[in-house]
Amino acid sequence: RKEVEQDPGPFNVPEGATVAFNCTYSNSASQSFFWYRQDCRKEPKLLMSVYSSGNEDGRFTAQLNRASQYISLLIRDSKLSDSATYLCVVSPNTGGFKTIFGAGTRLFVKA
Amino acid sequence: SQTIHQWPATLVQPVGSPLSLECTVEGTSNPNLYWYRQAAGRGLQLLFYSVGIGQISSEVPQNLSASRPQDRQFILSSKKLLLSDSGFYLCAWRPSAAGELFFGEGSRLTVL
Repeated sequence: RKEVEQDPGPFNVPEGATVAFNCTYSNSASQSFFWYRQDCRKEPKLLMSVYSSGNEDGRFTAQLNRASQYISLLIRDSKLSDSATYLCVVSPNTGGFKTIFGAGTRLFVKA
Repeated sequence: SQTIHQWPATLVQPVGSPLSLECTVEGTSNPNLYWYRQAAGRGLQLLFYSVGIGQISSEVPQNLSASRPQDRQFILSSKKLLLSDSGFYLCAWRPSAAGELFFGEGSRLTVL
């Protein structure tokens, strides 16, 4: 089993749609969780951190379910500019230094 | 503010040639430094990480090596490149063992 697994997609959605991505992780000791966005041929950039209580940033909502070991990202009112690959990222407890990236979920938003 | 620089941005190398990619971080001290590789259409693979000068941990056996000669400098090297070394190499840093990773703009390597 991979340490971090994501549905590769691609997700093809029209503008204005709501789309959700899920990510599962295998290490129950994981402490930090993030969603990154990567545009084609560019470096990943932080989209948002994921907190235990869930958090929202504009049209984006992230949720963490520790019991089931999964993370989700919800994008509401999709824009053309949301087209990118979304990477789920998991870091272990503070005694470790590795950060594991999922392979990413590709999103295409169409007019 | 902190910045990370990575170079060269693009390079094309023949099989068997050496490689040196360099990464420097400015505006911070004692960062945790990372080298990742992303093959075409694939996820990020952690290659090396470093918590201090001269301290390198390798995640994947390969013909690559890393060095950290100075606190804010991280170098990825190879003595003889393979075709399979082609990919997008990303240097990253963060101030501690946990938290957000900040990436350089990447170095795209094509081995022919």
